[in-house]
Amino acid sequence: NAGVTQTPKFRVLKTGQSMTLLCAQDMNHEYMYWYRQDPGMGLRLIHYSVGEGTTAKGEVPDGYNVSRLKKQNFLLGLESAAPSQTSVYFCASSYPQGQTEAFFGQGTRLTVV
Amino acid sequence: AQSVTQLDSQVPVFEEAPVELRCNYSSSVSVYLFWYVQYPNQGLQLLLKYLSGSTLVESINGFEAEFNKSQTSFHLRKPSVHISDTAEYFCAVSGQTGGTSYGKLTFGQGTILTVHP
Repeated sequence: NAGVTQTPKFRVLKTGQSMTLLCAQDMNHEYMYWYRQDPGMGLRLIHYSVGEGTTAKGEVPDGYNVSRLKKQNFLLGLESAAPSQTSVYFCASSYPQGQTEAFFGQGTRLTVV
Repeated sequence: AQSVTQLDSQVPVFEEAPVELRCNYSSSVSVYLFWYVQYPNQGLQLLLKYLSGSTLVESINGFEAEFNKSQTSFHLRKPSVHISDTAEYFCAVSGQTGGTSYGKLTFGQGTILTVHP
């Protein structure tokens, strides 16, 4: 099994450009999440989804949008990138039961110049 | 609301020495507790978790963590570390099922463990 796959792995954007990060999972998980990782701050939740067609805001949602049109995919969009969005982005997925672990992708390193 | 504090940002140790990575949390609801490990340029992998029952939980590679409800702590320990344990370690909490936690994780700031030969 591939698990959780993120594309792309690296990207450099200019301020004001837009892009979409794709997350795909092949474990039939209901829940999916987008986190960002910044030095000294751990991981912070951007948006999450509890099922196909549903999304919700996390701790740091401003400047991002998401969509979950298919159960296996969770897209994270940046409409107008800002240098403050330079970060490593991680997608994760899990079953609905809280006691199961979240499985993480390998991350996308995004630099906004 | 939940928060997690990892008390040490960096922990350098020599190979075969014991190590403890400290984690404290606060929450208004009952929680599940996790330790994740991140090797350089990789994603996060689950190291161990506390859900209920015995307060001492163990991983397959020799780490253990003890849930202390009165001190709201979940410290990670290993009696003898190896060079390959060099990584960043994250403590995380999730609200228990039944509420609206939806498995969302709140992470600590991370502790970089560096094992020297």
